[in-house]
Amino acid sequence: KNEVEQSPQNLTAQEGEFITINCSYSVGISALHWLQQHPGGGIVSLFMLSSGKKKHGRLIATINIQEKHSSLHITASHPRDSAVYICAVTRGSTLGRLYFGRGTQLTVWP
Amino acid sequence: DAGVTQSPTHLIKTRGQQVTLRCSPKSGHDTVSWYQQALGQGPQFIFQYYEEEERQRGNFPDRFSGHQFPNYSSELNVNALLLGDSALYLCASSSSGQFNTEAFFGQGTRLTVV
Repeated sequence: KNEVEQSPQNLTAQEGEFITINCSYSVGISALHWLQQHPGGGIVSLFMLSSGKKKHGRLIATINIQEKHSSLHITASHPRDSAVYICAVTRGSTLGRLYFGRGTQLTVWP
Repeated sequence: DAGVTQSPTHLIKTRGQQVTLRCSPKSGHDTVSWYQQALGQGPQFIFQYYEEEERQRGNFPDRFSGHQFPNYSSELNVNALLLGDSALYLCASSSSGQFNTEAFFGQGTRLTVV
């Protein structure tokens, strides 16, 4: 079983919709990362969080340490948000190594 | 400030050949990690280099080896290529001086083994 599980695997939305991607993990972590990967392959870090909530523009990330769960929300989705969103965790004992979920393919239609 | 740079961007090799991929970390970063991402999967950790030594290793065979140079750049070598080695290879750099450190990724090298 993977240490990090994401859902859904695929997500289709209409422009303007509110989107939620979920991530759960089964190990102790030092931080949780939300990453974005476009078709070209490069990965961009969206958030790194270890507690509470962070907001950047239309993106909001929350984490519940007790429940070992995190969510990424996109408000007023836009076709340019179409990408793979990946949840990953770092563990204090493993010096920055990332453990990844499989990713969520998001497609936003105009 | 250049971020993480990887070369080449694309590569086609034949089964049994050897390949070398290169990564230059973001300025100020001293730790380089390599990941393999098969199509439709999340990246899998190969190994991590710090102070020119392999510090951690994932579940990859010895055909996968690496090196880190004094300027912190790194190479990933794969010997005796198999069709299953076809994947996107990602390099990430980070700073050992920070406990929770954001990772920065290169654009990746797309390796196709035929």
